[in-house]
Amino acid sequence: QQQVKQSPQSLIVQKGGISIINCAYENTAFDYFPWYQQFPGKGPALLIAIRPDVSEKKEGRFTISFNKSAKQFSLHIMDSQPGDSATYFCAAAERGRGGGNKLTFGTGTQLKVEL
Amino acid sequence: DAGVIQSPRHEVTEMGQEVTLRCKPISGHNSLFWYRQTMMRGLELLIYFNNNVPIDDSGMPEDRFSAKMPNASFSTLKIQPSEPRDSAVYFCASSLVAGDAFFGQGTRLTVV
Repeated sequence: QQQVKQSPQSLIVQKGGISIINCAYENTAFDYFPWYQQFPGKGPALLIAIRPDVSEKKEGRFTISFNKSAKQFSLHIMDSQPGDSATYFCAAAERGRGGGNKLTFGTGTQLKVEL
Repeated sequence: DAGVIQSPRHEVTEMGQEVTLRCKPISGHNSLFWYRQTMMRGLELLIYFNNNVPIDDSGMPEDRFSAKMPNASFSTLKIQPSEPRDSAVYFCASSLVAGDAFFGQGTRLTVV
């Protein structure tokens, strides 16, 4: 059962452009939504996370937009750089029900930023 | 802090052999997770521990898989006997119960 759907599967963006990755979830008990960045040969690294009590969170060039009624959230990377080329995963957890970091991951988006 | 440490980084073994993957979580973290990553299934949670106690092992694929956490600073994931379909990258992650999860570098397992 795919509880977190992620799109697109791959994305090519020009340097300086905006990268947008979307995720949708089904489980309304999810209350914690992190994004992870993974480079080849490395483990996923936490990028930014949001709780459903806010609609947007920004950290540097990275912004999460959250739409609780639509059960959707997205990652925006502003001024995309070649160094941002990596695989991005959205995830969700039920922290309020003691789920801690029992994360359900999306399928990943391979981002390539071209010069 | 050295982060989550996994060993070995790469493991190649023959079908039928026992494989043991090791993980040292970040000091002070009280939750530990084992994930498996494959092209077909993405990142899947296999099992997680809180305070060294297994909380949810519903993701463990078969009885051939077992995990232990004898103390707060060490965990193992064992596959016995191993099969080619077990080939994947296995990640260990740790966190405080209500904190963010930090992943290790992973163990790339190849079963031939």
